[in-house]
Amino acid sequence: DAKTTQPPSMDCAEGRAANLPCNHSTISGNEYVYWYRQIHSQGPQYIIHGLKNNETNEMASLIITEDRKSSTLILPHATLRDTAVYYCIVRVGFNTGNQFYFGTGTSLTVIP
Amino acid sequence: KAGVTQTPRYLIKTRGQQVTLSCSPISGHRSVSWYQQTPGQGLQFLFEYFSETQRNKGNFPGRFSGRQFSNSRSEMNVSTLELGDSALYLCASSLTPQIGDTEAFFGQGTRLTVV
Repeated sequence: DAKTTQPPSMDCAEGRAANLPCNHSTISGNEYVYWYRQIHSQGPQYIIHGLKNNETNEMASLIITEDRKSSTLILPHATLRDTAVYYCIVRVGFNTGNQFYFGTGTSLTVIP
Repeated sequence: KAGVTQTPRYLIKTRGQQVTLSCSPISGHRSVSWYQQTPGQGLQFLFEYFSETQRNKGNFPGRFSGRQFSNSRSEMNVSTLELGDSALYLCASSLTPQIGDTEAFFGQGTRLTVV
């Protein structure tokens, strides 16, 4: 059962920032938000994750709202190689294990 | 360092047969999870192993099973294959199963086609 909602598709001009939104209104206090992307049915590639604070790494930035009910992945300067399906995932943890709930993802197309 | 290795990459089986898929996690990683990806259902969690123990299982029939060895390598088995089992099977490894501990790295997957 997916616990996130993402727009099915988005376009972004090459060189511009790509802002990918995600709704996770039922997120619990101990659940992290992860972002992965998948290109041409290869294995998903990790991008970034966070709990409540904004996070930044060499690939992207993650902005989480104060109530944690939504987040935005920002690719600062999109390139053609960023064209992929982006998954926003809530990582559920239990005492006996954890799993990823994958949503439907957002198909991002970077346009030259 | 080497990534997650899944073998074989492609497989064609006949309905009713069984199949075993293999996953070698990144060296030092002890948690392995399996996922099924189909066009209709997307990515769905199958099961997770840590220290040779299944810690969690997704909503799949008993025909789907798995195990983990002492070296953290994992296998999953599907018995009595059905056409609907055709999918990309993905394995992910992480250091431990603790949430927020670290990212999980996915392999390239095994593409199973049931005919």
